[in-house]
Amino acid sequence: EIVLTQSPGTLSLSPGERATLSCRASQSFGSRSLAWYQQKPGQPPRLLIYAASRRATGIPDRFSGSGSGTDFTLTISRLEPEDFAVYYCQKYGDSPLFTFGPGTKVDIK
Amino acid sequence: QVQLQESGPGLVRPSETLSLTCTVSGESVTSYYWSWIRQSPGKGLEWIAYMYRSGTTNYNPSLKSRVTVSVETSRNQLSLRLSSVTAADTAVYYCARTLMGDGKSFDIWGQGTLVTVSS
Repeated sequence: EIVLTQSPGTLSLSPGERATLSCRASQSFGSRSLAWYQQKPGQPPRLLIYAASRRATGIPDRFSGSGSGTDFTLTISRLEPEDFAVYYCQKYGDSPLFTFGPGTKVDIK
Repeated sequence: QVQLQESGPGLVRPSETLSLTCTVSGESVTSYYWSWIRQSPGKGLEWIAYMYRSGTTNYNPSLKSRVTVSVETSRNQLSLRLSSVTAADTAVYYCARTLMGDGKSFDIWGQGTLVTVSS
């Protein structure tokens, strides 16, 4: 089973700063099969990035994804107040087909 | 605009069967893959299964022996049945549209329904 690890667990930043979130897989899988989600309290996850680097419909361009192999990154270029949330990565492939990372919480410094 | 709405009992007794329905509006259930996903404090987000039209399914091996999912095309609904539940099955359960083309991910989610397993 491919395990996803996200770091840091919590990222404390101020609005306007750049956020860099990491997602590392225990073994390589197809980079086209990595997605990122944002979740706010009481809401379902929201798809931000799919296929490692493609923004989902309606997602602002301050969100970008990169990476391949076992190391992937979500970057938020300039944090807006509404970006403070928990972020999850998700992979497709191996068994079980879909797994999620444990999440990174981005909170206000 | 595609919308998903989960419904079902909020409380299930241990050893009984959890049954949930997801009503899809704005899209035919025959047009996409659909998944059930749950989220609990202890285990985070966990994919349960996906289904496509009638008959195509794939299950998380950790739950496969207890899960049945299906598509009810006449009602444009999805269903989930999880048998022999324990407290570990307490979670928020989501249905989600599943993209199985380039970039496999979940692009539209229901609001989720909390299911508590307790006597």
